[in-house]
Amino acid sequence: AQTVTQSQPEMSVQEAETVTLSCTYDTSESDYYLFWYKQPPSRQMILVIRQEAYKQQNATENRFSVNFQKAAKSFSLKISDSQLGDAAMYFCAYRSATGTASKLTFGTGTRLQVTL
Amino acid sequence: EAGVVQSPRYKIIEKKQPVAFWCNPISGHNTLYWYLQNLGQGPELLIRYENEEAVDDSQLPKDRFSAERLKGVDSTLKIQPAELGDSAVYLCASSLVSSGGVEASYNEQFFGPGTRLTVL
Repeated sequence: AQTVTQSQPEMSVQEAETVTLSCTYDTSESDYYLFWYKQPPSRQMILVIRQEAYKQQNATENRFSVNFQKAAKSFSLKISDSQLGDAAMYFCAYRSATGTASKLTFGTGTRLQVTL
Repeated sequence: EAGVVQSPRYKIIEKKQPVAFWCNPISGHNTLYWYLQNLGQGPELLIRYENEEAVDDSQLPKDRFSAERLKGVDSTLKIQPAELGDSAVYLCASSLVSSGGVEASYNEQFFGPGTRLTVL
């Protein structure tokens, strides 16, 4: 079974600064997808960024980018120019790309605080 | 385009009472998921539907939990009777899965706002 580990329960960053959230995962599969979701206090999970395991190039979405290290099974999220609206819980998630297994496996989350 | 709709947003009940949650997925999405999110944890899948068929219910505690998705559109998740440990957030998500059951990465799962259940 796949597992996702987020070892940082809480992180804090000053507005306009850069912060990196860590995620490691364990799988025996070679083809899969990785995601970062944001969950604000409203509880609605919002997709921030996704990465296909077969792509070597790291995904980027505006101020959000990932550092995907497939051999190390590491998938960190970098938030540049942090804004107050970035404050939320961030979840790393894994999904197999084979068969009908479209279940998302989530980590335990990292709470990001953004300070002035 | 309307997102995934869930109701109620909050529910407080006493233990041993029944409770039901409702979810309406994004129009056209054939796959619907119910996730359980305990406090301080990430969501965990309870059940996944493809159209009307429950294709993955291995994590659903069938002694007290039941779900249905009649007509392959909206869905109801029920707990009867509720226990103290059922206090959590129940999230619904939907996506479009192509034939063969493979979900492309760009056909992401869209989540609703969840129902926060408190069992006293």
